[in-house]
Amino acid sequence: DAGITQSPRHKVTETGTPVTLRCHQTENHRYMYWYRQDPGHGLRLIHYSYGVKDTDKGEVSDGYSVSRSKTEDFLLTLESATSSQTSVYFCAIRYSNIYNEQFFGPGTRLTVL
Amino acid sequence: AQTVTQSQPEMSVQEAETVTLSCTYDTSESDYYLFWYKQPPSRQMILVIRQEAYKQQNATENRFSVNFQKAAKSFSLKISDSQLGDAAMYFCAFQIRDDKIIFGKGTRLHILP
Repeated sequence: DAGITQSPRHKVTETGTPVTLRCHQTENHRYMYWYRQDPGHGLRLIHYSYGVKDTDKGEVSDGYSVSRSKTEDFLLTLESATSSQTSVYFCAIRYSNIYNEQFFGPGTRLTVL
Repeated sequence: AQTVTQSQPEMSVQEAETVTLSCTYDTSESDYYLFWYKQPPSRQMILVIRQEAYKQQNATENRFSVNFQKAAKSFSLKISDSQLGDAAMYFCAFQIRDDKIIFGKGTRLHILP
């Protein structure tokens, strides 16, 4: 399972409140990713990191920020949650092998009321 | 821009039969990777099979195999001897080396007992 955990696994919050999701990995992978999954859209990239303090935007980054102060932790923050951010959020790491394939955490279901 | 298209939102197959899930992609690159991920009801994203574009031989993993047609930009997944545990959402994904993964919108596979 590539040693990836996400916390919390489920969260219900109200519109306008800040929310932080945590992704933790134990295998020292350089690349980490945050995706959201919505019906009819598959997985869409929010932000990714290619090292400590090195991050970049993905396809759907508006309303989200990220931080990576340690190799093992990649945080996704919704500064002011909106109902459109209700989704399932996945963290992933990328293996440094010939395929560079990604392995995913278990996901976090976030509901914004 | 790279795109991945899965034209079958849902499919059904009788247990023990064979089913093929379609995937097409669009790119001007020649060196890339293709993946199929499975997402069962547990929500966990599981890598099923992977293919390097420069390899002509189709990848195989037990009951799962692909039909990779580079000129046609097609990457279909064949599941032989379908089992109830194969019921899941299947995502086709495309990645240029050292770049981000692009996912299709998924095909939901039902296994009929």
